[in-house]
Amino acid sequence: KNEVEQSPQNLTAQEGEFITINCSYSVGISALHWLQQHPGGGIVSLFMLSSGKKKHGRLIATINIQEKHSSLHITASHPRDSAVYICAVSADSWGKFQFGAGTQVVVTP
Amino acid sequence: DAGVIQSPRHEVTEMGQEVTLRCKPISGHDYLFWYRQTMMRGLELLIYFNNNVPIDDSGMPEDRFSAKMPNASFSTLKIQPSEPRDSAVYFCASSSTRNEQFFGPGTRLTVL
Repeated sequence: KNEVEQSPQNLTAQEGEFITINCSYSVGISALHWLQQHPGGGIVSLFMLSSGKKKHGRLIATINIQEKHSSLHITASHPRDSAVYICAVSADSWGKFQFGAGTQVVVTP
Repeated sequence: DAGVIQSPRHEVTEMGQEVTLRCKPISGHDYLFWYRQTMMRGLELLIYFNNNVPIDDSGMPEDRFSAKMPNASFSTLKIQPSEPRDSAVYFCASSSTRNEQFFGPGTRLTVL
């Protein structure tokens, strides 16, 4: 069983809709990361969280350490948000990542 | 800063050939990570270095894989001999802290 579980696996939304991606983990962590990967492209770090909530533009990330759960929200989604969103946790003192399987998001015009 | 630099961006080779992937981390970063991404297994950590010293290579699939970091600005991942199942995108990432990592653009490897 993967120690980092993401849901849903795939998500299709219409432009303007509110999107939520969930990440649950079963290990103690020092930080949780949300990454974005565009088709054919590299991987970009969106957020690093150890508590609370962070906002960047239309993206909001939250984490509940007690429940071992994080969510990534996209408000007013746009076709350029279409990408794979990956949850990763740093579970040891060296910062080694453990990855979720990713959520494929498609936003249609 | 140019970010993490990887070369080549694409590599096509025949089974049995040696493949060398290269990575230049962001200057000043003292952590370097090698990852592999496939459709079946997603992203996997292969090996990572701290101050040029390998810390954990438990993710290296088998003896055909080796990685070196001769200095703070260069690392290589070598596969010898290569096999079709090694086909994947290989990412290098670097970090100056234990938590935030910056990824390179990746090398897409195809082994025929």
